[in-house]
Amino acid sequence: DAGVIQSPRHEVTEMGQEVTLRCKPISGHDYLFWYRQTMMRGLELLIYFNNNVPIDDSGMPEDRFSAKMPNASFSTLKIQPSEPRDSAVYFCASSSTGQETQYFGPGTRLLVL
Amino acid sequence: AQSVTQLDSQVPVFEEAPVELRCNYSSSVSVYLFWYVQYPNQGLQLLLKYLSGSTLVKGINGFEAEFNKSQTSFHLRKPSVHISDTAEYFCAVRDAGGTSYGKLTFGQGTILTVHP
Repeated sequence: DAGVIQSPRHEVTEMGQEVTLRCKPISGHDYLFWYRQTMMRGLELLIYFNNNVPIDDSGMPEDRFSAKMPNASFSTLKIQPSEPRDSAVYFCASSSTGQETQYFGPGTRLLVL
Repeated sequence: AQSVTQLDSQVPVFEEAPVELRCNYSSSVSVYLFWYVQYPNQGLQLLLKYLSGSTLVKGINGFEAEFNKSQTSFHLRKPSVHISDTAEYFCAVRDAGGTSYGKLTFGQGTILTVHP
């Protein structure tokens, strides 16, 4: 199995630009999670989906952030407009019902100048 | 709501020495507990988990952890560490109820550095 795939691995952009992060979960997994990791705040859950439906988005910092999961094999996290404080590593993880194990992708390192 | 406190931000240790990484949690309900490891420039990987049953849980790479409900702790231990164990370790908790599946709360992490 290829594991969770995230793209791009690195993204450098300027303040005000739109940023789209992509995730392909492990085939057969029905849960998908988006996390953000920063030195100041640690690892935070932003949003998670079950069967492509958003279940809890209480961790999404503000309206500039949005996430979609149009099908079982693809999800996006979009930031529009981006700000320097959005600089972080964004992780996608997937899991299967009853498994109680989340499988993390390698992350996208985002730098907003 | 749950919270997790990892009592040490950094733990230096010599190779082949034992190590303990401390984790305390706070919750008003029953919980599931996890330890994840993050190697440099990689995502997190599950080391072990406590869901129910025996309070001593064994995981990968020779690690084990003990759930202590009275002390609300879930400390991670390894009797003899290797250079390759150098990484950041995260303790995590979630409400054991079915309505919050997957919603993990992570601690701030402990950086374990193993010296030769």
